[in-house]
Amino acid sequence: GENVEQHPSTLSVQEGDSAVIKCTYSDSASNYFPWYKQELGKRPQLIIDIRSNVGEKKDQRIAVTLNKTAKHFSLHITETQPEDSAVYFCAASRDFGNEKLTFGTGTRLTIIP
Amino acid sequence: GAVVSQHPSRVICKSGTSVKIECRSLDFQATTMFWYRQFPKQSLMLMATSNEGSKATYEQGVEKDKFLINHASLTLSTLTVTSAHPEDSSFYICSARDLRTGNTGELFFGEGSRLTVL
Repeated sequence: GENVEQHPSTLSVQEGDSAVIKCTYSDSASNYFPWYKQELGKRPQLIIDIRSNVGEKKDQRIAVTLNKTAKHFSLHITETQPEDSAVYFCAASRDFGNEKLTFGTGTRLTIIP
Repeated sequence: GAVVSQHPSRVICKSGTSVKIECRSLDFQATTMFWYRQFPKQSLMLMATSNEGSKATYEQGVEKDKFLINHASLTLSTLTVTSAHPEDSSFYICSARDLRTGNTGELFFGEGSRLTVL
């Protein structure tokens, strides 16, 4: 089955700086890679996703890059703000039908004011 | 976006009792729902895939007789933790994909249910 690894497990950055979280996956057939943000005590929410026919996708301060050959993808947050503090999970699946998502281990991001 | 609702949000029970958790898709139909378990400061571990009208598919290492899943309708899946023990204490969270025409298939999560077994 799919195995998703995520690094780092914790990350602290100064407000205004950029944050990068990286994930690798094992199943070469995976082609859907979402990122979820989970605030303390709340449900995970999708912040951005990318499919394997695209190498990069951007949404305001958030961007995701995908290297299908190397089987890794990354989340980039620029101009970080205190409200970006949360746990971020990457995930992978074979397609966006009813295939199950396998999640990474999570990154606890702390933005230092 | 789509709404997935889970109930109860918190439950405390005595060891040996059974607890039922409900997961509903409020504004869309879900033939498939996913049940995850999350330990404190850890990731979301898929327990099982709930299939409407058929048996659930359990992940390796998950006891199907311990965690009973019933997907009786297109909007409701239930997870029953049978004969609960303290080691079953965890955060259980369900999810479903909104596959209506034109939607991206995003996975939406319920609020989660925190189970504490005394």
